[in-house]
Amino acid sequence: SQKIEQNSEALNIQEGKTATLTCNYTNYSPAYLQWYRQDPGRGPVFLLLIRENEKEKRKERLKVTFDTTLKQSLFHITASQPADSATYLCALERGGGADGLTFGKGTHLIIQP
Amino acid sequence: GAGVSQTPSNKVTEKGKYVELRCDPISGHTALYWYRQSLGQGPEFLIYFQGTGAADDSGLPNDRFFAVRPEGSVSTLKIQRTERGDSAVYLCASSPGLVSDTQYFGPGTRLTVL
Repeated sequence: SQKIEQNSEALNIQEGKTATLTCNYTNYSPAYLQWYRQDPGRGPVFLLLIRENEKEKRKERLKVTFDTTLKQSLFHITASQPADSATYLCALERGGGADGLTFGKGTHLIIQP
Repeated sequence: GAGVSQTPSNKVTEKGKYVELRCDPISGHTALYWYRQSLGQGPEFLIYFQGTGAADDSGLPNDRFFAVRPEGSVSTLKIQRTERGDSAVYLCASSPGLVSDTQYFGPGTRLTVL
């Protein structure tokens, strides 16, 4: 069955540094991958979508890469700020033509001042 | 414009009771999704509507769970004979309608079954 793995432990980063989060998947060849941010008590908020034919996508301080050979996506936040502290979720299409998303467990990112 | 809204924000019920959770999607969004999120986990797909019909209900855990969207807008997730294991945050999301569209999530309903 499809499996998505994200760093299960919290990631502590010093303010101003680049935070890099990893999403690995198996038994799967998704056409696209999405990253969401989730704050406590709130629903996920969409950040970026990258398609299988795209190697990299950027939006302001965010950058996502997608390596379909390694079956891995990396999510980078440059010049990190305490306000970037949240849980970041990786999501893939469910596959087989099915709609909806399969989410990883998320990585809790803490940016320390 | 308004985002996705969900009511109630919190629901506490007793084991065996029936509950209804409501989702108001973004106006004009034809696709609507329900997910369930347990503590420390990512959202888990339950059901997908395209318009009024349930296009995919393969994520519903058993026949105690049912959802409707009679007019293609508001959706209600219904849970019969609730069990303690049903306790979770139930999230609703909507999107304009294409498979790869961004999904816009509501704040969720936190269901606690005592």
